[in-house]
Amino acid sequence: DQQVKQNSPSLSVQEGRISILNCDYTNSMFDYFLWYKKYPAEGPTFLISISSIKDKNEDGRFTVFLNKSAKHLSLHIVPSQPGDSAVYFCAAWGAGGTSYGKLTFGQGTILTVHP
Amino acid sequence: DTEVTQTPKHLVMGMTNKKSLKCEQHMGHRAMYWYKQKAKKPPELMFVYSYEKLSINESVPSRFSPECPNSSLLNLHLHALQPEDSALYLCASSQALGEKLFFGSGTQLSVL
Repeated sequence: DQQVKQNSPSLSVQEGRISILNCDYTNSMFDYFLWYKKYPAEGPTFLISISSIKDKNEDGRFTVFLNKSAKHLSLHIVPSQPGDSAVYFCAAWGAGGTSYGKLTFGQGTILTVHP
Repeated sequence: DTEVTQTPKHLVMGMTNKKSLKCEQHMGHRAMYWYKQKAKKPPELMFVYSYEKLSINESVPSRFSPECPNSSLLNLHLHALQPEDSALYLCASSQALGEKLFFGSGTQLSVL
């Protein structure tokens, strides 16, 4: 049972344009959401996070939006740069129940930014 | 120092071997984790240590044995692994459970 879903396996964007990566979750016990960026054969690198009490968090070119009622979050990258090309994982912390203490990852989206 | 250091970076072992993966952090984090990642898949949680005590074991086979000797170190002892255990093994740490994780660069393990 996939509790964190990234339904787009890949996304291709032109340099300078906006990249929008989407993530859906099913577990209402999730209360803290994070985005990680990963290159092959390396560990994930933290990008940005958002608590369930907020609906937006911004850090430079990266903005994360959370819609709790829809159980949906998105990562916006503006402007996109070729160096942003990587796999992006959405992840969620469980606040209780069987998900407590576990950071659960989505399947990942491969972002390619073309010069 | 915001690094999680994992050694070795690469490991090839036979199915009868015993080996250990090591992980170290000096950020004062009190939670440490082992994840396993196969190609084109997300990281899968294996173990969680909180304040040096094992708090979560995600039904991992006993051929994987974690150890947390102190608050800075985390080991994963491997014995009698199978070829399907070949994967990238990632260590991570966080200030506490529920905080953002910092990952090491992983150990790429091949079991022959």
